[in-house]
Amino acid sequence: EIVLTQSPVTLSLSPGERATLSCRASQSLSNYLAWYQQKPGQAPRLLIYDASSRATGTPARFSGSGSGTDFTLTISSLEPEDFAVYYCQQRSGWPPLFTFGPGTRVDIK
Amino acid sequence: QVTLKETGPALVKPTQTLTLTCTLSGVALSSSGMRVSWIRQPPGKTLEWLARIDWDDEKIYSTSLKTRLTISKDTSKNQVVLTVTNVDPADTATYYCARTRTNYMDVWGTGTTVTVSS
Repeated sequence: EIVLTQSPVTLSLSPGERATLSCRASQSLSNYLAWYQQKPGQAPRLLIYDASSRATGTPARFSGSGSGTDFTLTISSLEPEDFAVYYCQQRSGWPPLFTFGPGTRVDIK
Repeated sequence: QVTLKETGPALVKPTQTLTLTCTLSGVALSSSGMRVSWIRQPPGKTLEWLARIDWDDEKIYSTSLKTRLTISKDTSKNQVVLTVTNVDPADTATYYCARTRTNYMDVWGTGTTVTVSS
């Protein structure tokens, strides 16, 4: 089973700063990696799929990169509404099982 | 606009069977390529994918929970049902259903919170 590790656990930044979140997989994923944003009391929201494709409605300040085992979510300039928890998610080959990372919390500094 | 809505009991007792329903709007469950997953999130923890059902009735389960899960669909009601048998306090969580693409989940319901307690 593929295990996802996210770092850092918490990222404390100010509005306007750049956020760089990491997701590392225990085995190669090709580019089958997605990123979600979750705010308190809300369902997760898809931001990025297939490592670097922005979902409908995802602002351009969000970008995804990486392949194989190392992936990055970058928020170029934090807006107040971006402070949330971010999860990465992978899909294994066959059967197509999904797993999520432990999450990175982006806090206001 | 595609929406999903989860319903189920707020409280169940240990050893009972939990039944959750996901009702879809704006898309037919029977449409080719349609897939729906169930995902849960214990309080303060990360997300855990549980099961998926496809338009052609293919079903896939989490390896760790497959003996306790059953996923099914009722296309006439446009609903997906998940049952979890022999529940335990560790099954306390918010349960979500989501439209599932090949590699990710793109439309999520708002979730339903279930507490397992005697």
